[in-house]
Amino acid sequence: AQKVTQAQTEISVVEKEDVTLDCVYETRDTTYYLFWYKQPPSGELVFLIRRNSFDEQNEISGRYSWNFQKSTSSFNFTITASQVVDSAVYFCAPYSLHSGGYQKVTFGIGTKLQVIP
Amino acid sequence: DGGITQSPKYLFRKEGQNVTLSCEQNLNHDAMYWYRQDPGQGLRLIYYSQIVNDFQKGDIAEGYSVSREKKESFPLTVTSAQKNPTAFYLCASSIMDRRSSYNSPLHFGNGTRLTVT
Repeated sequence: AQKVTQAQTEISVVEKEDVTLDCVYETRDTTYYLFWYKQPPSGELVFLIRRNSFDEQNEISGRYSWNFQKSTSSFNFTITASQVVDSAVYFCAPYSLHSGGYQKVTFGIGTKLQVIP
Repeated sequence: DGGITQSPKYLFRKEGQNVTLSCEQNLNHDAMYWYRQDPGQGLRLIYYSQIVNDFQKGDIAEGYSVSREKKESFPLTVTSAQKNPTAFYLCASSIMDRRSSYNSPLHFGNGTRLTVT
């Protein structure tokens, strides 16, 4: 069975602070793919980043950075110098290949981030 | 611009009535999905379709029906058999190339908020 855990249900930070969103993915699959989506108040989910299970190299893109550690099944997402526009719900969404090529997506419950001006 | 269009944005129905939610995409994606989102929960898969005239049940298909007569359209009908239909419904699509589908993000519409009283 697969299990994705986003332990932080809500986080509030003051603008310009850094914030890290946690995600733990437990699976027996050896190959899987990890995605983060952002859901602003408008409702539409927007794809942010993706990583695969065999690449633990961390990345930085602008104000976003990702820390993936396969040994602990954690895939954390950090926003540096947060802005009010970052206020949204963030979903961790691991993928593993299901039979027939269908992407078996397991969404976490989401972390609501509020950036206070 | 390519994208996914869901209509209407808000929908109100009386209990016992069937209601159909529209989802249209012009991304030329083969796969389409319907998700349900409830407060404090992640997205749960209702139905998905990998090709025209074929669709499969997701995790919570009871009380719902779909059709896939055209590649670009994947309407969802919420029937009177669905015991708790009030929710936010999200349609998504993705490419289904077996070489890259594992690495392809989902593209989401803006969602339809259904209220049944």
